[in-house]
Amino acid sequence: NAGVTQTPKFQVLKTGQSMTLQCAQDMNHEYMSWYRQDPGMGLRLIHYSVGAGITDQGEVPNGYNVSRSTTEDFPLRLLSAAPSQTSVYFCASSSTSGGNEQFFGPGTRLTVL
Amino acid sequence: DQQVKQNSPSLSVQEGRISILNCDYTNSMFDYFLWYKKYPAEGPTFLISISSIKDKNEDGRFTVFLNKSAKHLSLHIVPSQPGDSAVYFCERSQGNLIFGKGTKLSVKP
Repeated sequence: NAGVTQTPKFQVLKTGQSMTLQCAQDMNHEYMSWYRQDPGMGLRLIHYSVGAGITDQGEVPNGYNVSRSTTEDFPLRLLSAAPSQTSVYFCASSSTSGGNEQFFGPGTRLTVL
Repeated sequence: DQQVKQNSPSLSVQEGRISILNCDYTNSMFDYFLWYKKYPAEGPTFLISISSIKDKNEDGRFTVFLNKSAKHLSLHIVPSQPGDSAVYFCERSQGNLIFGKGTKLSVKP
C-alpha cells in the first residue's frame, strides 16, 4: 500500500494563477480531508469529505474548491492563487470521521508570489 | 473560537526525564482525542488516542490522561528520548476534526 500520496511536493505560483493539488489514497477510506499548516497556526481544516460525492467546508475554505468523484481521490483546487495561500498543505484519510486515526500525506509546499 | 488549545508552543526536556504535553478543550462533545507527532518536512503520524469514556490510555512510553471535569488532557512520555523531538498535536474527533496549534518538544541528550 502506498498510503496517502500527494503531488506535487513543491509548487511556486504567481498571484492569480490556478492549480490543483492532487491527493490519492489506496486504503479504501471513506473520510478524506485537506489541511494547511502555517507557522504558529497548527493544522487548519480546509475541506473534508465523508464519502464519494459528499464534501463540506472546514475552518478556512475560502479560495479553495474540492470534489470527491471517487473514494480514492480528493483534489484541492486553487482558483485564483493569492500570497495568503502560501502554506504547506496536507491531505489525510481515515476509515471513519470519529475515533480512527488519520493517515497523512507528505505534504505540498506552495509558494504564491 | 479555539476549541482545542495547546497553550505551550514549546517544551525542552532532558533525555531520560518525563515530557508532559497539555491540551485543553472547550466543547464537551467528542468521541476521541488523538495525539499526532510531526517531524519537519513530513506529514503528521498518529501516536495514541483516548476515548471519551476512559481517563487513561497507555502504549509503551506514551500515556494519555483525560480529565473531563477540567476539560484537559495530557500526554506523558517516559523516558524521553532525543528521537521524540518533534511537534505534537492533539486532535478532537467528533464530526469534523479539530487540531490544536501544536507543541514543539525538544529532548536534549
